[in-house]
Amino acid sequence: GAGVSQSPSNKVTEKGKDVELRCDPISGHTALYWYRQSLGQGLEFLIYFQGNSAPDKSGLPSDRFSAERTGGSVSTLTIQRTQQEDSAVYLCASSPRSFSRTDTQYFGPGTRLTVL
Amino acid sequence: KQEVTQIPAALSVPEGENLVLNCSFTDSAIYNLQWFRQDPGKGLTSLLLIQSSQREQTSGRLNASLDKSSGRSTLYIAASQPGDSATYLCALPPHYQLIWGAGTKLIIKP
Repeated sequence: GAGVSQSPSNKVTEKGKDVELRCDPISGHTALYWYRQSLGQGLEFLIYFQGNSAPDKSGLPSDRFSAERTGGSVSTLTIQRTQQEDSAVYLCASSPRSFSRTDTQYFGPGTRLTVL
Repeated sequence: KQEVTQIPAALSVPEGENLVLNCSFTDSAIYNLQWFRQDPGKGLTSLLLIQSSQREQTSGRLNASLDKSSGRSTLYIAASQPGDSATYLCALPPHYQLIWGAGTKLIIKP
């Protein structure tokens, strides 16, 4: 079907508020990734969902960050008590198979988060 | 720990020129290497994926090479066009997540 979609495309919030970012992966893709790209920085891995297995949360920067993937499809990244340093573009990607180091990752357009 | 470096950070050339973007990595035990293009507000687009057993991949005017022993990959763009202007990133998966270079911002002047 269509590519990876993310919503909202832009989010402006006040420091201390919670935000939820949504990702709809390509239909049938079992692997889903979240990355963060801060201004002038490279991409930073956050979390990886691999089919029905436990997610790899090793990239989450603090316990304010959490993510879930419902029904093996849609994923939500939640940031609690947002801080200004959380301002970044949050990118979601999916790939066809779990546990595959050879599949291409397909990226969504990202959500630009600005914390005032 | 894998580290990925891209040189140059920015490049501006006239339309029509052939150009080379560089990506170097510190750990040669890689599974594959990918080149992506990033356009503002449009996310990332995969351009080429080179498996560790391959030495190069071609797609249209793009050719990517891989030399694991020297920890280098190059992206060659032939006959550049203004539409090629974007940021180009290389990335490697040491596990399932990708480790990224900081990118090369390419501007093609008409």
